[in-house]
Amino acid sequence: GEDVEQSLFLSVREGDSSVINCTYTDSSSTYLYWYKQEPGAGLQLLTYIFSNMDMKQDQRLTVLLNKKDKHLSLRIADTQTGDSAIYFCAELLMDSSYKLIFGSGTRLLVRP
Amino acid sequence: DVKVTQSSRYLVKRTGEKVFLECVQDMDHENMFWYRQDPGLGLRLIYFSYDVKMKEKGDIPEGYSVSREKKERFSLILESASTNQTSMYLCASSLRARTEAFFGQGTRLTVV
Repeated sequence: GEDVEQSLFLSVREGDSSVINCTYTDSSSTYLYWYKQEPGAGLQLLTYIFSNMDMKQDQRLTVLLNKKDKHLSLRIADTQTGDSAIYFCAELLMDSSYKLIFGSGTRLLVRP
Repeated sequence: DVKVTQSSRYLVKRTGEKVFLECVQDMDHENMFWYRQDPGLGLRLIYFSYDVKMKEKGDIPEGYSVSREKKERFSLILESASTNQTSMYLCASSLRARTEAFFGQGTRLTVV
């Protein structure tokens, strides 16, 4: 079945790097996403990676994909207090459903 | 800018009421989705629609129905609201062949 798992909470100091991890189970996934949700807001797409890639970098964000282990990570360099939010990992199923399956979300707290 | 607009940010309804949650997108997207978000459970798909008048059940459709009479509008209906439907409801839309889903700001529904 489809399942996406994340740890629920991460706390880092301002200026440090944050690494948020995610595992998924469905081998038919092709796109994997990271969304950010700030308090009281909807979800905002941060970045995504196609399953034939193993790394994608976008300014302070680095996404690593280990397809063999079905493991995805999001690294935020020089984490700022404005990065405090919930981060959701999601996979797009490329079977007939085209469903997005979300993880439970990781709450990132950035301490001054 | 893609815009997905949900009609209400906050709603309070009584048990047994029929509740309509409305979502409108302005980018001519084929796919529209309704999720509910609960602490520790992430986003769970209720229903989605890939075309006008077409709908597919998601993972938790019980107690809900949907309507897509026009391409830009996707309505979620709670036939007889119950307290366990108290949640944050998120609407999203995406192009058929594209991957990015755009989210509305969410509707926090409380059923008393």
